Amino acid sequence: KNEVEQSPQNLTAQEGEFITINCSYSVGISALHWLQQHPGGGIVSLFMLSSGKKKHGRLIATINIQEKHSSLHITASHPRDSAVYICAVRLGNTGNQFYFGTGTSLTVIP
Amino acid sequence: DARVTQTPRHKVTEMGQEVTMRCQPILGHNTVFWYRQTMMQGLELLAYFRNRAPLDDSGMPKDRFSAEMPDATLATLKIQPSEPRDSAVYFCASGPRGGAGELFFGEGSRLTVL
Repeated sequence: KNEVEQSPQNLTAQEGEFITINCSYSVGISALHWLQQHPGGGIVSLFMLSSGKKKHGRLIATINIQEKHSSLHITASHPRDSAVYICAVRLGNTGNQFYFGTGTSLTVIP
Repeated sequence: DARVTQTPRHKVTEMGQEVTMRCQPILGHNTVFWYRQTMMQGLELLAYFRNRAPLDDSGMPKDRFSAEMPDATLATLKIQPSEPRDSAVYFCASGPRGGAGELFFGEGSRLTVL
């Protein structure tokens, strides 16, 4: 049983398309993180959310606590957005335990 | 530009050898996490430190793995003896405010055990 489910697992898009990656979780959380990992590269934290919506450049992240669901949107996608996007939730009890999704591999074609 | 620094970036070793990975967290961050990433399991938490004290290492095989923070600028993860199944990328992350804020990841240490 996975506490964090991401969809889709793989996604290919044309440059300029609007992209949505979804994350559903089954546990009580104190925060949700969206992470980005480029091929062969390190991991970058994109957003940390506990409610509502955050925007940074072309990236938008939303979370619905009642529905236990979060989405990451990329507007006007670009080939440099090609990466694996990982959803991670911090448990609400102690705050130091994380569950990770398996990641969504995004390829943006020029 | 503050960043988490991990060494070595790549390590190839033979089964049975000792491996030590090092992490320098961002200055002022009081929480440090060690994660392991494999194709099969994805990211897994190995250990967690707050103010240099180990708070959670339940994800770590105790017989061969050990994690320490000898001072606030250095965290170490040691595997002795190493096994082929330990081959993975090991990430260190640090964060402020007891880990309640953003996480900042290092570039990772890619370990291959032959």
